Amino acid sequence: DAGVIQSPRHEVTEMGQEVTLRCKPISGHNSLFWYRQTMMRGLELLIYFNNNVPIDDSGMPEDRFSAKMPNASFSTLKIQPSEPRDSAVYFCASRLGGSASGSHNEQFFGPGTRLTVL
Amino acid sequence: QKEVEQDPGPLSVPEGAIVSLNCTYSNSAFQYFMWYRQYSRKGPELLMYTYSSGNKEDGRFTAQVDKSSKYISLFIRDSQPSDSATYLCAITDSWGKLQFGAGTQVVVTP
Repeated sequence: DAGVIQSPRHEVTEMGQEVTLRCKPISGHNSLFWYRQTMMRGLELLIYFNNNVPIDDSGMPEDRFSAKMPNASFSTLKIQPSEPRDSAVYFCASRLGGSASGSHNEQFFGPGTRLTVL
Repeated sequence: QKEVEQDPGPLSVPEGAIVSLNCTYSNSAFQYFMWYRQYSRKGPELLMYTYSSGNKEDGRFTAQVDKSSKYISLFIRDSQPSDSATYLCAITDSWGKLQFGAGTQVVVTP
């Protein structure tokens, strides 16, 4: 089993550029989560999809951030325009089961994308 | 104030010692209590989860929940250098939205 796949693993960009992070969840998992991890704020949930539908995007910091899940095997997180304060490690996680029924199920995390915005 | 509070450490212990980690939470609606382990430059991985108050053991690891005090703990017995990692408590509501603590960095020295 390949686990959750994220790309790129590292991204260095300049302020103002568009950044697109990609995630392939574990096959058969129907819930997908995007997190951001920084030293200051820890691990924060940005957005959560269930069956490709965004359920909770209250963690998305501002309109510069957007996420899509066009199908069950692919999701993107886009930042446009990027700013230095967006520098962080972005994790994607997937889980089997929907909201209430799968709430205790394990979330499997990908290796993360380390984003640096200069 | 964050809904889940956890001391970030670092916590340094000699090999073989007991490691004691804890978190407090504020929302009594939280239902599932989890501990994730995160090695440097890796994603978190689930270590243990529990639902009810009381203890749950898995090998050298014991998770403890006290819902009346809104307090959860993780104990690692006979700690090994391979246990050196960041340990994050995570608590979920009925919809499966995880709230993570800040994570405690643990260093086990040989």
